[in-house]
Amino acid sequence: GENVEQHPSTLSVQEGDSAVIKCTYSDSASNYFPWYKQELGKRPQLIIDIRSNVGEKKDQRIAVTLNKTAKHFSLHITETQPEDSAVYFCAPLMFSGGYNKLIFGAGTRLAVHP
Amino acid sequence: GAGVSQSPSNKVTEKGKDVELRCDPISGHTALYWYRQSLGQGLEFLIYFQGNSAPDKSGLPSDRFSAERTGGSVSTLTIQRTQQEDSAVYLCASSLGASGMDEQFFGPGTRLTVL
Repeated sequence: GENVEQHPSTLSVQEGDSAVIKCTYSDSASNYFPWYKQELGKRPQLIIDIRSNVGEKKDQRIAVTLNKTAKHFSLHITETQPEDSAVYFCAPLMFSGGYNKLIFGAGTRLAVHP
Repeated sequence: GAGVSQSPSNKVTEKGKDVELRCDPISGHTALYWYRQSLGQGLEFLIYFQGNSAPDKSGLPSDRFSAERTGGSVSTLTIQRTQQEDSAVYLCASSLGASGMDEQFFGPGTRLTVL
């Protein structure tokens, strides 16, 4: 069956440092790789995504890199700020239960300390 | 424009009672998803509706859980004979199309507490 793993499960950094979260998936046919951010008490929101025809995508301080051969993709946050503190979920598109759908990882709790 | 809405925002019920949770997706979105999120945990997929196709029920944890989507819009998630382990936040999301590559927009969730 489908398998999605995120590492680390928790991450604590000082403001201004970089943070990297890695997501490993099992379906070699996956071709869409988003990251969602959920702030405390809020709903998840898409922050960045990448499709399999590119290896990297950047949007200001965040970037996503994809290694299709190794079946993993990573979220990179540079110059972290306290407002980056949240739980981050990877959600690769995978074939499961007869349908293509996003399979969410268990989440990474990022704490940015001033 | 209006986002995904859910009602009620909070529901407290007694063990053994039935509950209904409602989701109003964004107008024009053909895909609708239900997830369950226990405190401090990830998103557990429950069910997925896509247009007029048969729903993907592969995530429903037991036959006490069911959902319907009337007229391709509003969806209701029903939990029968609630148990304490059903306590969680139930999130609904909708997206524009069938590819799976469209952004999922989440509602605010319904916090269910089973006493």
